Amino acid sequence: EPEVTQTPSHQVTQMGQEVILRCVPISNHLYFYWYRQILGQKVEFLVSFYNNEISEKSEIFDDQFSVERPDGSNFTLKIRSTKLEDSAMYFCASSEELGQPQHFGDGTRLSIL
Amino acid sequence: AQTVTQSQPEMSVQEAETVTLSCTYDTSESDYYLFWYKQPPSRQMILVIRQEAYKQQNATENRFSVNFQKAAKSFSLKISDSQLGDAAMYFCAFRGFITQGGSEKLVFGKGTKLTVNP
Repeated sequence: EPEVTQTPSHQVTQMGQEVILRCVPISNHLYFYWYRQILGQKVEFLVSFYNNEISEKSEIFDDQFSVERPDGSNFTLKIRSTKLEDSAMYFCASSEELGQPQHFGDGTRLSIL
Repeated sequence: AQTVTQSQPEMSVQEAETVTLSCTYDTSESDYYLFWYKQPPSRQMILVIRQEAYKQQNATENRFSVNFQKAAKSFSLKISDSQLGDAAMYFCAFRGFITQGGSEKLVFGKGTKLTVNP
């Protein structure tokens, strides 16, 4: 069964550094999402992306964050200048169409030192 | 704004027994989707079951079924004949109807950690 894949599984970065989290959505899916889960807290929506543009973003998704689909397969989340509070598990998800279930990757654990 | 509440941080069940995980939500929308996702220790979140709010019939998927009470805004998950592989975090989630001005984003509860005892 097709899967959403995320790399790396664990990223350790110094505070203030830029980090890029990578995702390969399921190949025929058109809608892409990023969520994050701070340890012990809820999974929170960050951003949705369709047709090469952001369709919705949360208040968490400020100017430090950006998303990109640089080629036909990858979907990336960039954090420009990481803060300690960015430490979390970041999940990528994709869906085939609007209204269809979102399929999640394994997540990337981001640790900011 | 929608909220999803899972009041049971942890639950345990004996293998082959039945367990029910609770979820309540709050919304002003009339049409929406509700989901249960499972996150085993391997970390990938897997869709377990989906319910459309306009359907009165409760969704079932093999050993998994839901008790959807729209008026009470309750959406519990029942796992029958529990297996060791059912051990995981279970997340309840809400999503609006995009065509009715709802959001495509999933709103999650905090999760319930299910332990299955042999």
